Amino acid sequence: DAKTTQPPSMDCAEGRAANLPCNHSTISGNEYVYWYRQIHSQGPQYIIHGLKNNETNEMASLIITEDRKSSTLILPHATLRDTAVYYCIVGANSKLTFGKGITLSVRP
Amino acid sequence: NAGVTQTPKFQVLKTGQSMTLQCAQDMNHNSMYWYRQDPGMGLRLIYYSASEGTTDKGEVPNGYNVSRLNKREFSLRLESAAPSQTSVYFCASSEVRLRLRGYTFGSGTRLTVV
Repeated sequence: DAKTTQPPSMDCAEGRAANLPCNHSTISGNEYVYWYRQIHSQGPQYIIHGLKNNETNEMASLIITEDRKSSTLILPHATLRDTAVYYCIVGANSKLTFGKGITLSVRP
Repeated sequence: NAGVTQTPKFQVLKTGQSMTLQCAQDMNHNSMYWYRQDPGMGLRLIYYSASEGTTDKGEVPNGYNVSRLNKREFSLRLESAAPSQTSVYFCASSEVRLRLRGYTFGSGTRLTVV
């Protein structure tokens, strides 16, 4: 599976959009981009995934560049409860590899 | 509620003791996984089972054994616990094809080896 690169941390103000970047320059054509988050010490929680097109659900939006080498997870109106570690992962029909993720801190 | 159930939630072992961590899922998923997470680290894959009757090593399998008892259950065994195995252990399950939601995780087992 391709590897991903994420900044170690970022913060944003409550109520503002949080844009979390991810680089995956070695992604293969059949690999999906997945985003998970882990709040405190709970099990990781699925957020969203995509292959080529941008995706949106009730939690977030996923923007994938045309060359698929990078993506951005957008939390449109961040709340304090969105403070967590966010993992960007790429994978296909195989096991997923979790890196250290990006720690998002939402400030009041 | 459908999901992945792990037992126990907490455990303290003495060095050299053995124990089995249990995991069960009720989503009819084919694949199951065991990860460990150390403080400040990402999740590292210990073992996985792509389907009932098969198991394979992940990134950090030494000191562990697994059993895919049936489609629902995947257990992780520590034969002789060591302090280095102090960690939080997560079980997960998925369909074979990850084009759907990917993984569903359990809430974790917090293991301390003294």
